[in-house]
Amino acid sequence: GQNIDQPTEMTATEGAIVQINCTYQTSGFNGLFWYQQHAGEAPTFLSYNVLDGLEEKGRFSSFLSRSKGYSYLLLKELQMKDSASYLCAALDSNYQLIWGAGTKLIIKP
Amino acid sequence: DTAVSQTPKYLVTQMGNDKSIKCEQNLGHDTMYWYKQDSKKFLKIMFSYNNKELIINETVPNRFSPKSPDKAHLNLHINSLELGDSAVYFCASSQGLQDSYNEQFFGPGTRLTVL
Repeated sequence: GQNIDQPTEMTATEGAIVQINCTYQTSGFNGLFWYQQHAGEAPTFLSYNVLDGLEEKGRFSSFLSRSKGYSYLLLKELQMKDSASYLCAALDSNYQLIWGAGTKLIIKP
Repeated sequence: DTAVSQTPKYLVTQMGNDKSIKCEQNLGHDTMYWYKQDSKKFLKIMFSYNNKELIINETVPNRFSPKSPDKAHLNLHINSLELGDSAVYFCASSQGLQDSYNEQFFGPGTRLTVL
């Protein structure tokens, strides 16, 4: 079956760095997405990786290893507004997005 | 201008009633989706429409029926509402399925409460 695993919850300190991991098992693979969802709001797109390696976008970076079925989202210089859920989603061979349950990130002062 | 809009934002209703949620996107996208997000925050795909054709229909009860009058609209009609239908329903759209880059744009969500 198809499956996405990511930690349920993480806590980090303002100004620090945090890495949110995601492992996936899908029928075929056409890329991996990270979305951010603040409480009570809709998910918003953060990043897309289809090739191995690190993609950097400001304070956020996303990494992919296709051979390991693994991705991570790296958040630097954490701000209180980064408190949110981070959803990992993999695109399978039918271009269907398989979603993880999300990682709730709590930022403490 | 709102890219993906849905109405109503909140919906409170009694068990057994029939209700509809509307969704519109002005992005010119070919594909639209309905998701259900329950209290555990798990985002579950319900339906996907590509150029007005249903292409995904996950194991959703037939009380739920999507209606797409045109590619900019995908409405969700729910018959005989049950307590377990209480959730937040998100509409989303994307450029298409043939592109591997398939960023989805989400609407603000409709919080449905069934009493």
